[in-house]
Amino acid sequence: EAQVTQNPRYLITVTGKKLTVTCSQNMNHEYMSWYRQDPGLGLRQIYYSMNVEVTDKGDVPEGYKVSRKEKRNFPLILESPSPNQTSLYFCASSPTTGAVSKETQYFGPGTRLLVL
Amino acid sequence: SQQGEEDPQALSIQEGENATMNCSYKTSINNLQWYRQNSGRGLVHLILIRSNEREKHSGRLRVTLDTSKKSSSLLITASRAADTASYFCATEPGGSYIPTFGRGTSLIVHP
Repeated sequence: EAQVTQNPRYLITVTGKKLTVTCSQNMNHEYMSWYRQDPGLGLRQIYYSMNVEVTDKGDVPEGYKVSRKEKRNFPLILESPSPNQTSLYFCASSPTTGAVSKETQYFGPGTRLLVL
Repeated sequence: SQQGEEDPQALSIQEGENATMNCSYKTSINNLQWYRQNSGRGLVHLILIRSNEREKHSGRLRVTLDTSKKSSSLLITASRAADTASYFCATEPGGSYIPTFGRGTSLIVHP
């Protein structure tokens, strides 16, 4: 089944404790991205990657890191989480590196993060 | 700031009625997409309309695009309780690789 998976789905952590949220897709998509969703603000893109070893900042990259060592995986790293990073996080992938909106983005199920 | 803004923020209707939600955006776009999100879950793509298209249909969904007014509308006909969800428009302003989502319209369809 074609899908985007994220782990963990729920995470409670404390300020400053490094964490990684994994994202994997089995559709051989070039484009992958991370979003955060907050009430009243909609979805905002954190980082995106157009292919292996190619990543770039989205609208809200501060406090996050990503890597794209393999085509299928795009982990999101919070080196020193803070309470303002409490949010619902989505990973997404798309089969094109061109104009993204020409292609559907496929979203993962989401990771709900609480930073105390 | 948001590129796409949905209106209304919330919509409550009875099953069988039509639901219309609108999206306005600020800069020129190549395409506009509508997504649906069930509570707390990932977004699901509904329909894409290109800038040279004016109307598109998919099942009970009808999307229009007016580039002169920088607006789009999503019409769900004969709504069902299962249509209860949030609906988002997404645009890619000015050839950017950063798709921009609006804040969404929350639709509740009462059985």
